[in-house]
Amino acid sequence: KNQVEQSPQSLIILEGKNCTLQCNYTVSPFSNLRWYKQDTGRGPVSLTIMTFSENTKSNGRYTATLDADTKQSSLHITASQLSDSASYICVVSDRGSTLGRLYFGRGTQLTVWP
Amino acid sequence: EADIYQTPRYLVIGTGKKITLECSQTMGHDKMYWYQQDPGMELHLIHYSYGVNSTEKGDLSSESTVSRIRTEHFPLTLESARPSHTSQYLCASSARQGIGETQYFGPGTRLLVL
Repeated sequence: KNQVEQSPQSLIILEGKNCTLQCNYTVSPFSNLRWYKQDTGRGPVSLTIMTFSENTKSNGRYTATLDADTKQSSLHITASQLSDSASYICVVSDRGSTLGRLYFGRGTQLTVWP
Repeated sequence: EADIYQTPRYLVIGTGKKITLECSQTMGHDKMYWYQQDPGMELHLIHYSYGVNSTEKGDLSSESTVSRIRTEHFPLTLESARPSHTSQYLCASSARQGIGETQYFGPGTRLLVL
C-alpha cells in the first residue's frame, strides 16, 4: 500500500533554533517528492520539489534531503522564526498514471515560541 | 502567491441545505482539484478535472458533485448538506513545470453543517 508517514506529529521549538522534520514513504513507482507549508486556515504552499536523482534542495532557510534508496526525506529549518509556525506536509507523486497521483502525509505541526 | 480563490472562506449551514463552494483560478491551468481535509489529517482527493467538460471522482468517495464549464471555474455542490460533510475543502490547480506538476492551492473553505 502506498503511504507517506511523517514524524514527529507535532514539534515545539524556540525561536532561532533549528529543527528537522522526517518523511518516510512506500510509494512506488516514485516520481518526485514535495514539501508543502500550510499555515493555519490557508492552503498548502510548495517549498521544494525533488526527483529521484536529487538528494538535496534549498529554499532560503529550508533545506530538503532525499534518500530514494531508503525512501526517506527530511526538511531542515534553520534559525526558526515565529512565521515558521505551520503544518509541513510531505507529498509524494508516483509516475504510474497520467494524473501523477499524489500521496499526502498528515503533516508535522510546528510551533515556534518566542 | 497563487492566483486561486475560494469563496466562501467559512460557511455554517443547517442540515438539508444545498450549498455551492466556489473556486476560481486566473492562471489558465487546465487541471483542477478538490480536496477534503479534516484537522490533523491528510488531504484526500474527492474530485478532479483535466479541462472543460471533464470531471472525475477522486480517491475519497464524496456525495458532492462538480462541474467545469469554464477553464477558470470549478465549483463544488452539495445537494443536501449533512453534519458528516463538516470539513475543510481545498481547491487546487496545476501546471506542468519541468520535472512534474506543482499544485497551487486556494485558501480553503471551512464548512460546518449543524
